[in-house]
Amino acid sequence: DGGITQSPKYLFRKEGQNVTLSCEQNLNHDAMYWYRQDPGQGLRLIYYSQIVNDFQKGDIAEGYSVSREKKESFPLTVTSAQKNPTAFYLCASSMLAALQETQYFGPGTRLLVL
Amino acid sequence: AQKITQTQPGMFVQEKEAVTLDCTYDTSDQSYGLFWYKQPSSGEMIFLIYQGSYDEQNATEGRYSLNFQKARKSANLVISASQLGDSAMYFCAMREGSINSGGSNYKLTFGKGTLLTVNP
Repeated sequence: DGGITQSPKYLFRKEGQNVTLSCEQNLNHDAMYWYRQDPGQGLRLIYYSQIVNDFQKGDIAEGYSVSREKKESFPLTVTSAQKNPTAFYLCASSMLAALQETQYFGPGTRLLVL
Repeated sequence: AQKITQTQPGMFVQEKEAVTLDCTYDTSDQSYGLFWYKQPSSGEMIFLIYQGSYDEQNATEGRYSLNFQKARKSANLVISASQLGDSAMYFCAMREGSINSGGSNYKLTFGKGTLLTVNP
């Protein structure tokens, strides 16, 4: 089955620790995205990538980093510089970063700070 | 200013009845796309329906239809014959076409959502 997988489902971070969230897709999509969702809110874009080895900052990129070494994979690192990381993180992908292209989402990772 | 406004934090509907979830948007672009997603308690965002700004007819997908009123900048989701499994958060989102207007064709801007509860 084609789809988007995210792991882990839950992640706990200690103060000062960097953690990495995994996102993998087998849909052969070119574009991938990371969004953050806070309680009672919509999603906000962190980073996006249209092609391998290229990515761009979204609206709330500070304290986060990404890489896109393979078309299928777009991991997100939450660094110690992100002071309020507790949130639900959703990865998405689309055929192209075009107006009509639908973004499909993974199941999400819930990050909690210990 | 909010680009996507969903004025109903919560809605209730009886099973088998129709319900309309409101969404208004703000853009100066002529070219844009409007999306509705469903988010059940599990958290995954499920795509429901898409409407392009140049589409002359309202989009429909099974029990979902989009009541698109361009002059009023509204894109309301209509769910017909509600089912218990429709209980979830529903998000309206917009993709703008022009970088010059502050938008781009890479991100979705989401509203804050409406929590729909279907009663048996």
